[in-house]
Amino acid sequence: EVQLVESGGGLVQPGGSLRLSCAASGFTFSSYDMHWVRQATGKGLEWVSAIGTAGDTYYPGSVKGRFTISRENAKNSLYLQMNSLRAGDTAVYYCARFTATPGYGMDVWGQGTTVTVSS
Amino acid sequence: EIVLTQSPGTLSLSPGERATLSCRASQSVSSSYLAWYQQKPGQAPRLLIYGASSRATGIPDRFSGSGSGTDFTLTISRLEPEDFAVYYCQQYGSSQYTFGQGTKLEIK
Repeated sequence: EVQLVESGGGLVQPGGSLRLSCAASGFTFSSYDMHWVRQATGKGLEWVSAIGTAGDTYYPGSVKGRFTISRENAKNSLYLQMNSLRAGDTAVYYCARFTATPGYGMDVWGQGTTVTVSS
Repeated sequence: EIVLTQSPGTLSLSPGERATLSCRASQSVSSSYLAWYQQKPGQAPRLLIYGASSRATGIPDRFSGSGSGTDFTLTISRLEPEDFAVYYCQQYGSSQYTFGQGTKLEIK
């Protein structure tokens, strides 16, 4: 079964750091671009970061310089290192597989892990 | 950054009716990189449509997508009870990905 399972969420103080993990199974992890997408309570989806199969990384302006996406193909794992956290980073964080075959889209999602930034 | 604007914000319809959801981009988007997702409460999003008009695996044929350039549409031909959810469009361009703000499809 194709599956993504996130972990590492929790409560952190403003200015603190947190590292999220996403464990992939059921597919050849190294062959896919991977993404992080977040959703604040009652709000819409916000793209957070992407990493290509070659390790190239991409971020929106809202997290660039604070968040770092990485992958460890040998462990079928995706990570998101989050530094200088703000209240506005509070959300459910999803990891998602990005497919280009037969078309472009995020076709597999995890169940999400909750990050709360509060003092 | 390309901004996607979805309308309406909320759509109230009854089962059996036709739903038409709009997604407008602030600049032209390649159709290959326009996708639609469905999200139900407490669940992760699910890919419905990729390439603006192709259904993802397992998606019923009552769902269809169309459009090009800056205007895209998701149509649900006859609403089933399980279709009431929030729908998001999403685009990829210049190594940036953006989502629309969503359309909530609710039972009338």
